[in-house]
Amino acid sequence: EDKVVQSPLSLVVHEGDTVTLNCSYEVTNFRSLLWYKQEKKAPTFLFMLTSSGIEKKSGRLSSILDKKELFSILNITATQTGDSAIYLCAVLTDSNYQLIWGAGTKLIIKP
Amino acid sequence: DAGITQSPRHKVTETGTPVTLRCHQTENHRYMYWYRQDPGHGLRLIHYSYGVKDTDKGEVSDGYSVSRSKTEDFLLTLESATSSQTSVYFCAIRGGAGTEAFFGQGTRLTVV
Repeated sequence: EDKVVQSPLSLVVHEGDTVTLNCSYEVTNFRSLLWYKQEKKAPTFLFMLTSSGIEKKSGRLSSILDKKELFSILNITATQTGDSAIYLCAVLTDSNYQLIWGAGTKLIIKP
Repeated sequence: DAGITQSPRHKVTETGTPVTLRCHQTENHRYMYWYRQDPGHGLRLIHYSYGVKDTDKGEVSDGYSVSRSKTEDFLLTLESATSSQTSVYFCAIRGGAGTEAFFGQGTRLTVV
């Protein structure tokens, strides 16, 4: 059975800290891995990773994929209170039309 | 922002009544999805569509049905609402293979 596991489930840090969120997967016919940020409303797209070892970066956020070890990390440097959110990881496969979602990591940034 | 609209945004309904939620897109995307999101469960797939009149069940489809008679609209119907269906419902759309999903604003449904 395909599955995506995120860790930790929740994390509390202080403003200015650096955080690393993890997403591991066990799927058949992996195609790509996606990261989303969800504040109070709908999830918004952050990154799509398809190739191993190539970092995607947007401001203080970056992400990388390891297809050999079957995981991805999302790094946030110099965290701000506005980074508080649930971060979701999902995997696309070639086998079907669905996205396979992790349970999310709830990140709280304290001032 | 992707052109995807959900309606209604909020609804309170009584147990046993039918309810229909609408997802409308202007992107001409092929794939459409209905999820529910509850604390501790993340996003759970209810039904999805991969084309007009082509739909399939997700992991929590019991008590729900869908229809897609045209590309832009994907309807989710709760045939007889129950309190366990109180949730936030999200619609998502996706273009071709290997593309990301975009989400609607969500519908908060309360069944009393």
